[in-house]
Amino acid sequence: DIVMTQSHKFMSTSVGDRVSITCKASQDVSTAVAWYQQKPGQSPKLLIYSASYRYTGVPDRFTGSGSGTDFTFTISSVQAEDLAVYYCQQHYSTPFTFGSGTKLEIK
Amino acid sequence: QVQLKQSGPGLVQPSQSLSITCTVSGFSLTSYGVHWVRQSPGKGLEWLGVIWSGGSTDYNAAFISRLSISKDNSKSQVFFKMNSLQANDTAIYYCARGDSLLDWGQGTTLTVSS
Repeated sequence: DIVMTQSHKFMSTSVGDRVSITCKASQDVSTAVAWYQQKPGQSPKLLIYSASYRYTGVPDRFTGSGSGTDFTFTISSVQAEDLAVYYCQQHYSTPFTFGSGTKLEIK
Repeated sequence: QVQLKQSGPGLVQPSQSLSITCTVSGFSLTSYGVHWVRQSPGKGLEWLGVIWSGGSTDYNAAFISRLSISKDNSKSQVFFKMNSLQANDTAIYYCARGDSLLDWGQGTTLTVSS
């Protein structure tokens, strides 16, 4: 199985800051990576698919980049409502696998 | 708009089975696969399996012996069944549309306990 590694379990940031979350795949997954946001008590919500494509209705402060094994998710100007856990996931091959999540904390 | 609505029990006894129905609207099951994912405190998000638009299935090898996914295209329903449940199957179970998990159901919170 492909292992997706998010090296930071927690990240602390302030409103207006730029923050980036990284995700590393254990093997080449091309650009088949998605990023999800999960707020407490809610289902995960797709933000980015195929590494860099923003899903419908997602604000443009959210961006994704990368290919192969290294991927980055960036919030260009953090808002208070961005408090959440962010997960990467590879959809290159089954079993699809997720990173362990990065909890974004707002100072 | 796209919706996935899940129905199923919240409490199951050990060794029993779990059945969840995911009723979809706003898209056709002949156009999108439906994936199943669970979330438990100990193991995070875990992909369980998928029924593809054509009707074939793929399962996580860890669950292949006790998991079954089927669907009824005409009723826009996907059926999830997992057998031989144990306490460590306690989790929230989700259905989701498409390979990038574009949209998710509200989740079914399952507790396995006697």
